[in-house]
Amino acid sequence: GAVVSQHPSRVICKSGTSVKIECRSLDFQATTMFWYRQFPKKSLMLMATSNEGSKATYEQGVEKDKFLINHASLTLSTLTVTSAHPEDSSFYICSARSTGRKDEQFFGPGTRLTVL
Amino acid sequence: AQSVTQLGSHVSVSEGALVLLRCNYSSSVPPYLFWYVQYPNQGLQLLLKYTSAATLVKGINGFEAEFKKSETSFHLTKPSAHMSDAAEYFCAVSGRNSGNTPLVFGKGTRLSVIA
Repeated sequence: GAVVSQHPSRVICKSGTSVKIECRSLDFQATTMFWYRQFPKKSLMLMATSNEGSKATYEQGVEKDKFLINHASLTLSTLTVTSAHPEDSSFYICSARSTGRKDEQFFGPGTRLTVL
Repeated sequence: AQSVTQLGSHVSVSEGALVLLRCNYSSSVPPYLFWYVQYPNQGLQLLLKYTSAATLVKGINGFEAEFKKSETSFHLTKPSAHMSDAAEYFCAVSGRNSGNTPLVFGKGTRLSVIA
C-alpha cells in the first residue's frame, strides 16, 4: 500500500512551453501533497504544500504564477510549469501524506524535466 | 522550526565494513525522524523512521538508527556494507503532531562502497 505515482517520468520541452506533472496517490487519500525540487547532487527543496480544495502554500522564493499547483481531488495534485525556461530543468518530486497517518510521507518516483 | 545537518557529503567504505552516516537535528517540537535512500534518477525510498516508540529503529536492508535526544542525533548504521548500498541518503525531520508540516531534509550523504 501507500503508492504514489508521477506522470510523466521524463519530459523534454522547448523553452516557452508549459508542462504539467501529475502526482497521484494510488491506494490512499491524501488531503496534503508536497512538491519538491531537486537540483543535481543536491537535496530536496520544498516548493509548495498542496491542500485538497484550497490554494497551495508556496515557499519563499517560489513563483506561484510560474509553478501552478492544483489539488482538485484527494488523490491527485498537478504541478504546471508555465513558460518553462532552461533554468527550470530539474527533478521534481511529489509526496503525499495519508489522511489517516500523519507520521509519514510517501514519495513519488520523480519527474525529470529538461527544457531546451 | 526544524533543521537537519548531515555531516559529510560523501562517505566511502569498503565492502563488508561498517556504515555510519551522521545526522543531527534541531526541532522546537518533539520530532519525527526519517532516513531515505535515493538511487540515481529515482524517487525516495523510506529506510526507517522514528516516531516516538523505541529509540533504536530497525529498517530495511539491514539498516538501523538510534534516536538520542541528549545528542539531538539520529545516525544511520549498517554492520556490513554491500555494493548495492551505494546511493544518496537523506535524513529528514518533521514536527510530531504538526498536522500538515512538510519534511525538512538534510543535504544528503553520498555513500560509495569499494570492492
